[in-house]
Amino acid sequence: DTAVSQTPKYLVTQMGNDKSIKCEQNLGHDTMYWYKQDSKKFLKIMFSYNNKELIINETVPNRFSPKSPDKAHLNLHINSLELGDSAVYFCASSQVVAGEITYNEQFFGPGTRLTVL
Amino acid sequence: SQQGEEDPQALSIQEGENATMNCSYKTSINNLQWYRQNSGRGLVHLILIRSNEREKHSGRLRVTLDTSKKSSSLLITASRAADTASYFCATDRASGSRLTFGEGTQLTVNP
Repeated sequence: DTAVSQTPKYLVTQMGNDKSIKCEQNLGHDTMYWYKQDSKKFLKIMFSYNNKELIINETVPNRFSPKSPDKAHLNLHINSLELGDSAVYFCASSQVVAGEITYNEQFFGPGTRLTVL
Repeated sequence: SQQGEEDPQALSIQEGENATMNCSYKTSINNLQWYRQNSGRGLVHLILIRSNEREKHSGRLRVTLDTSKKSSSLLITASRAADTASYFCATDRASGSRLTFGEGTQLTVNP
């Protein structure tokens, strides 16, 4: 009964390759996020989707492209991987209701540790 | 510096002692949340305090919020070795907006 799941958990690849990370949530939430956590544990938001619509798009290289086929899934595709992309990528979800006060408690997946060689 | 800065960066205490971590932020907020991250795992939500609240309790956790000083503290009472983790504060400026995370406090509770 995993709430937010990500695959793969570990990803080791060569520079220049293209890779994807998948995320699924079974909480019925309407908003999903991708975060990047660097080696110093600093967590930064990359993207957010609300009901399959992109609502947050931080200053991220356009080699990163999120895709949300439905509101339970948010995938992250990375083209032409670079050494600096090595990090742990976290997917998260929350329930955000427009027009009402929400708590925006976010539920995180276990993370995908990406190593680019 | 980042919205949401925790101090200390690292804290080491003995089991049974209390642990206090602080978070400061720069802009006005809607809510402030605290999360825990165990090594190699995702973040887990601990507690949320709204901007019009001053104190909140949940089990062994006590959170305070001082909006005039733009700061919050997380107190863990009677700490246990299992409390060893990184603790992050996160703020959002409006309902449903992005969360901005601090840099975290690494807490080590020695048995």
